Amino acid sequence: AQKVTQAQTEISVVEKEDVTLDCVYETRDTTYYLFWYKQPPSGELVFLIRRNSFDEQNEISGRYSWNFQKSTSSFNFTITASQVVDSAVYFCALSEIDSYFVANNLFFGTGTRLTVIP
Amino acid sequence: EAQVTQNPRYLITVTGKKLTVTCSQNMNHEYMSWYRQDPGLGLRQIYYSMNVEVTDKGDVPEGYKVSRKEKRNFPLILESPSPNQTSLYFCASRGLGLAGRYNEQFFGPGTRLTVL
Repeated sequence: AQKVTQAQTEISVVEKEDVTLDCVYETRDTTYYLFWYKQPPSGELVFLIRRNSFDEQNEISGRYSWNFQKSTSSFNFTITASQVVDSAVYFCALSEIDSYFVANNLFFGTGTRLTVIP
Repeated sequence: EAQVTQNPRYLITVTGKKLTVTCSQNMNHEYMSWYRQDPGLGLRQIYYSMNVEVTDKGDVPEGYKVSRKEKRNFPLILESPSPNQTSLYFCASRGLGLAGRYNEQFFGPGTRLTVL
């Protein structure tokens, strides 16, 4: 069965500090997708990144970067030089791929609430 | 504009009074699903549908019903709401597309439900 663990329930940082949000997953499948979503105080879910299990390359997008390590089943998210607008709940999620190479349902972690203090 | 809409966005009701939360998408997506979000529990799937007239239970289906009579609509029905169904609900949709390709999942804006 699949499982996504976000052990950090809440994190507070001062503006301009770097912060890493941890995500550890469990799956019996060798092919799967991993995701990060942001939920700002307004409540909507904002897609940040998708990664498939074949691609372990790290990714950088502006101040955001993601470190995918299959050896430790982790998909960590780092925000560099944090800003107040980064304050949100962040969810990591996993989707397994079936034998027909179709992505199945999304399983979410419990989320990490990030507060950036000005 | 491609979107998933939900109505109502906010609802306060009382125990036992049947209610329906509507979900509609304009992207001709086959797959639709409902999630509930609760503090400390993240998002959990309630029901999903792979196409018209094809629905299946997610992780927390008790107390909910769904139907998929049309491709664009996937209403969530609470026949007899209870206070433990107070939650934030999200509808989502995506195309099933070609094998090996993940099609983006679009989320609705959420419906905040309070059952007194």
